[in-house]
Amino acid sequence: QVQVVQSGTEVKKPGASVKVSCKTSGYIFTNYAISWMRQAPGQGLEWMGWISTYNGNTNYAQKLQDRVTMTADTSASTAYMELRSLRSDDTAVYYCARDLVTGHFDYWGQGTLVTVSS
Amino acid sequence: QSVLTQPPSASGTPGQRVTISCSGSSSNIGSNYVYWYQQLPGTAPKLLIYSNNQRPSGVPDRFSGSKSGTSASLAISGLRSEDEADYCCVAWDDSLSGPVFGGGTKLTVL
Repeated sequence: QVQVVQSGTEVKKPGASVKVSCKTSGYIFTNYAISWMRQAPGQGLEWMGWISTYNGNTNYAQKLQDRVTMTADTSASTAYMELRSLRSDDTAVYYCARDLVTGHFDYWGQGTLVTVSS
Repeated sequence: QSVLTQPPSASGTPGQRVTISCSGSSSNIGSNYVYWYQQLPGTAPKLLIYSNNQRPSGVPDRFSGSKSGTSASLAISGLRSEDEADYCCVAWDDSLSGPVFGGGTKLTVL
């Protein structure tokens, strides 16, 4: 069965970077893209970007494209999202999801809480 | 502020039918599929409806989706206490070249 497991809670200081992992199993990793979303406390979901696990192509949300990098390790069936120059308003739960057609996310990770605080 | 507009809250009693709306524009709902997600408290979102009105395996037929023009709706019939959750609509946006989300609707079962 398909499983998507993310790395654990992170606490970072303003200006630091965070890298969240998303390990998948139960399907052929390179057959599906991975999208990343985040949800600030009490807020709705926000799409951050997408990575093709087949060729590494990426498409980032415009507001984050200067600070975010998404990568994929096909040998480990794992995707990564790195966010740099963290600010307090980056505090959120970060999710990865298998992406069939962007907008169509059929399997989600459990979420990773990233807290940015001095 | 979310690109897709949903009411912040909805409510109903057990057994009732409830409808949640999602309003967008010609660049998103008007020209692309709509997806609905259910998010139980403290958990990750779960795909509820895809391609406007299709249910993934395992989703009860009490849940149905529809789309007309630049708006979409999620209907839940035979409301149950376990349906109490946040519901969010999503659609690809041609102008932004990415998916856009509604702000979510918190459903309370009275």
